[in-house]
Amino acid sequence: DSGVTQTPKHLITATGQRVTLRCSPRSGDLSVYWYQQSLDQGLQFLIQYYNGEERAKGNILERFSAQQFPDLHSELNLSSLELGDSALYFCASSVDGLGDAFFGQGTRLTVV
Amino acid sequence: GDSVTQMEGPVTLSEEAFLTINCTYTATGYPSLFWYVQYPGEGLQLLLKATKADDKGSNKGFEATYRKETTSFHLEKGSVQVSDSAVYFCALNNAGNMLTFGGGTRLMVKP
Repeated sequence: DSGVTQTPKHLITATGQRVTLRCSPRSGDLSVYWYQQSLDQGLQFLIQYYNGEERAKGNILERFSAQQFPDLHSELNLSSLELGDSALYFCASSVDGLGDAFFGQGTRLTVV
Repeated sequence: GDSVTQMEGPVTLSEEAFLTINCTYTATGYPSLFWYVQYPGEGLQLLLKATKADDKGSNKGFEATYRKETTSFHLEKGSVQVSDSAVYFCALNNAGNMLTFGGGTRLMVKP
């Protein structure tokens, strides 16, 4: 158990819908990262937050957004969903945004 | 930009065989290098890391040496077990913000 908690574990939704994925980092970790794992794109970095502020942005679509709350949990919002958004979405956390990243078990999103 | 290239799998070995999974990288500066492992249905777990040239990371019988001259970080294990069957990802972290992953290599170990 990495200490990073993601909910829900599985999500099935229809095209055009909006979903929210939630991540609770390890106790004491200030930085949260979101990654997308798909068969065709592999593991891709989406976005990083540090202590509530966006620190780095990767290949995140405009339809996707994220935030980190004062209690340090983070949410990834995916809207206007398309079939191609079906993937495993991982959250990871680290103490200071520089150290080792610990991953949650992921949320498997299926868009039908 | 930064990139990581891993050998394509699957790699199929018999139990107690020697394992090598090749990983090379392209990056500016001096990245830290990592191997992560993903067991079926689970998230990624940090297996080992090295933060500077010639460092050797090791864990659970796995080893990898940071070779700056060949920009490589090959994963090795002397004797694999069935329980090592998983997908292995090589990754780098440059400037501390994010991990750049290779495509992953699936290892299957047969009894």
